[in-house]
Amino acid sequence: AQTVTQSQPEMSVQEAETVTLSCTYDTSESDYYLFWYKQPPSRQMILVIRQEAYKQQNATENRFSVNFQKAAKSFSLKISDSQLGDAAMYFCAYRINFGNEKLTFGTGTRLTIIP
Amino acid sequence: EPEVTQTPSHQVTQMGQEVILRCVPISNHLYFYWYRQILGQKVEFLVSFYNNEISEKSEIFDDQFSVERPDGSNFTLKIRSTKLEDSAMYFCASAQGAGGPTDEQFFGPGTRLTVL
Repeated sequence: AQTVTQSQPEMSVQEAETVTLSCTYDTSESDYYLFWYKQPPSRQMILVIRQEAYKQQNATENRFSVNFQKAAKSFSLKISDSQLGDAAMYFCAYRINFGNEKLTFGTGTRLTIIP
Repeated sequence: EPEVTQTPSHQVTQMGQEVILRCVPISNHLYFYWYRQILGQKVEFLVSFYNNEISEKSEIFDDQFSVERPDGSNFTLKIRSTKLEDSAMYFCASAQGAGGPTDEQFFGPGTRLTVL
């Protein structure tokens, strides 16, 4: 079975600084996707960034980038130039590349931005 | 921008009662999901639904649970006889396609279910 582990329940960062959220996963599959979802307080989860396992290049979306280490099964999220609006719960998630497969989530990291 | 909506935002019920959680997926989406998150724990998959039938269900999704798409817009989760351990946040999600690289699951804001 696939598992996703986020070992940092809480993180904080000074506004405008950079922060990295960690995620590791376990799978025997070779073709899958990894995601970071953001859940602001009392708001729905929204997709921040996705990584396809067969792509070696790390995904980037504006201030958000990932460090995908397939052999190590590691998928960290880097947020540059942190803004107050980045404060949220961040979930790492995994999905196999087959059909309409379910997402498997980590336990989340609560990110606080210090003004 | 289209959103997944869920009602109610908070449901309080007595143990043993039936509850129905409602979701309105994004209108052109074909794949529907329910997840739940017990307080302080991870978000867990319950069930996926496509073409008016269940595609996959987790071991959590036992005979007490059922899903339905009663009309063209709603997607419901029914818990027949609630237990204390069903207290959780329930998230509905929908996706347009079958899981290709650009198929994103869009989540609703959740329904907090409290079983007393």
